[in-house]
Amino acid sequence: DSGVTQTPKHLITATGQRVTLRCSPRSGDLSVYWYQQSLDQGLQFLIQYYNGEERAKGNILERFSAQQFPDLHSELNLSSLELGDSALYFCASSRGGTISYEQYFGPGTRLTVT
Amino acid sequence: DAKTTQPTSMDCAEGRAANLPCNHSTISGNEYVYWYRQIHSQGPQYIIHGLKNNETNEMASLIITEDRKSSTLILPHATLRDTAVYYCIVRVAIDASKLTFGTGTRLQVTL
Repeated sequence: DSGVTQTPKHLITATGQRVTLRCSPRSGDLSVYWYQQSLDQGLQFLIQYYNGEERAKGNILERFSAQQFPDLHSELNLSSLELGDSALYFCASSRGGTISYEQYFGPGTRLTVT
Repeated sequence: DAKTTQPTSMDCAEGRAANLPCNHSTISGNEYVYWYRQIHSQGPQYIIHGLKNNETNEMASLIITEDRKSSTLILPHATLRDTAVYYCIVRVAIDASKLTFGTGTRLQVTL
């Protein structure tokens, strides 16, 4: 158990819909990262938040957005969903925002878009 | 971040040492070597990291060559539960942003 929690575990929705994925980092961790893992793309970094502020952006689509709240939990919002958005979405957390500490991953949310 | 090259797959008998190689010939002086693994669709799991000295923890040992152009992750007594995809990642020390995952090595531990 990494100490990172993600909800829900599974999500099935239709094209065009909007969903919200939630992540609670390990106690004391200030950075939260979101990754997407699809069969054809592998593990891809989406976005990082540090202590409530966006710190780095990866291959995140404009239809996707994220935020980190004062209690440090984070939400990833996916809108206008397409079939290709079906994937595993992982959240990870780490101690700092500058030093490259190890990241601890949650169990993931499996999103299926039909 | 420096690129890494790993074999696509490896087999190991249970109870034997699993030695997973990684080539990172373009590594810079301020880059660490990290290892993660992913057990079938679970979240990736941090294993170990190092700069230039060999490192050991309860999970594994990391051997980095003197020129730092390659490294080996050693699981001393592999079990069936070690069957996973192992990722070698090179990362700047003062850069807490993304992990860049390649395709990794699929390790199959067999009886």
